[in-house]
Amino acid sequence: QVQLQQWGAGLLKPSETLSLTCAVYGGSFRTYYWSWIRQPPGRGLEWIGEINHRRSTNYNPSLKSRVTLSVDTSKNQFSLTLNSVTAADTAVYYCARNDILTGLGYWGQGTLVTVSS
Amino acid sequence: QSVLTQPPSASGPPGQRVTISCSGNSSNIGSNSVNWYQQLPGTAPKLLIYTNNQRPSGVPDRFSGSKSGTSASLAVSGLQSEDEADYYCAAWDDSLNGYLFGTGTKVTVL
Repeated sequence: QVQLQQWGAGLLKPSETLSLTCAVYGGSFRTYYWSWIRQPPGRGLEWIGEINHRRSTNYNPSLKSRVTLSVDTSKNQFSLTLNSVTAADTAVYYCARNDILTGLGYWGQGTLVTVSS
Repeated sequence: QSVLTQPPSASGPPGQRVTISCSGNSSNIGSNSVNWYQQLPGTAPKLLIYTNNQRPSGVPDRFSGSKSGTSASLAVSGLQSEDEADYYCAAWDDSLNGYLFGTGTKVTVL
């Protein structure tokens, strides 16, 4: 059974750095891309980016300048860093496993990140 | 910027069939497969349909997907109260080199 468990700071001030980590339990870490998605309160889903075990990445062009994805294959974990956050970055952030054939089949529980002064 | 357009809402009484459309372009739906996600209130999204019309194990056959050209659709037959949720289409976009979600459709069971 595949499980994704995520954690990170839930309250940030403007200009600070958002940092979240997602641990993968079960399944093969090396077979898939690992994605981050966010959802502002009351709004739709926005894909942030993805990374694989070789550290190959794809980013949403609208966030690319502020986003860094990283991976720790020894721990089956991957992380999201988002710089210079503003109130517009307030959202529930999800990690997910991306299978090229079947899509985002496994999701983390979500982390609410609030940016407020 | 590329966008996948869905109607904001859809509704029907129990037992009815509801269809949700998803409109894209040649760089996303026109050249890549479509997935659908169901998001129940307060929960993480769940994969509902992959590769246009395939159901993951455990998804009832009341849910079906189709794709034609640059559009896709999700049909829910025999609507049940537990189907009240937000539904999102999604596809890879070759121009953005990224994954694109639809605008989302809220389904209400009357």
